[in-house]
Amino acid sequence: GNSVTQMEGPVTLSEEAFLTINCTYTATGYPSLFWYVQYPGEGLQLLLKATKADDKGSNKGFEATYRKETTSFHLEKGSVQVSDSAVYFCALTNSGGSNYKLTFGKGTLLTVNP
Amino acid sequence: DTGVSQNPRHKITKRGQNVTFRCDPISEHNRLYWYRQTLGQGPEFLTYFQNEAQLEKSRLLSDRFSAERPKGSFSTLEIQRTEQGDSAMYLCASSLRGGTGNTIYFGEGSWLTVV
Repeated sequence: GNSVTQMEGPVTLSEEAFLTINCTYTATGYPSLFWYVQYPGEGLQLLLKATKADDKGSNKGFEATYRKETTSFHLEKGSVQVSDSAVYFCALTNSGGSNYKLTFGKGTLLTVNP
Repeated sequence: DTGVSQNPRHKITKRGQNVTFRCDPISEHNRLYWYRQTLGQGPEFLTYFQNEAQLEKSRLLSDRFSAERPKGSFSTLEIQRTEQGDSAMYLCASSLRGGTGNTIYFGEGSWLTVV
């Protein structure tokens, strides 16, 4: 079956530091890959996505590249801000069709200090 | 532009009581999903609908759980005879369809605390 493995947190950084959150996956077929962000007490917001190998998703300074050869989708940001403090979830969907749904990793808590 | 709306946002109930959550998806989205999220974990799939048809149910969805989506619009998730282990956030999501790359949008979630 499908599964997603994220680096365990928490991750604590100072403002303007470089961020990497590792994500690897196991899936059949050709999954689409997503990063969602969850701020305290809120639901999930889509941060970025990539639908095929070598695609790069980007949003709000965050980037992730779909690497089929290493089955990875690592999240990066060059300079984090305090407002980036949240839980980040890597997720995938299967190839589509009748059983299209998201499978999530356990999440990585990021805290950015001023 | 209205997103996915869930009600109530918070519910505290006594063990053994029934609770119902409502979800209004983004209009014109024919797929609707329910997930459960416990503290420190990622969301876990419970069930999903395409229009009014419930197409898949997870093994997590015990007999005490039932979900409906009459007329293919809003959906309800009912938990009967609640147990303390049901305490979690219940997330509703919707998507336009099930094709590759279609974004699944989430609501704010409904927190359930069973005391």
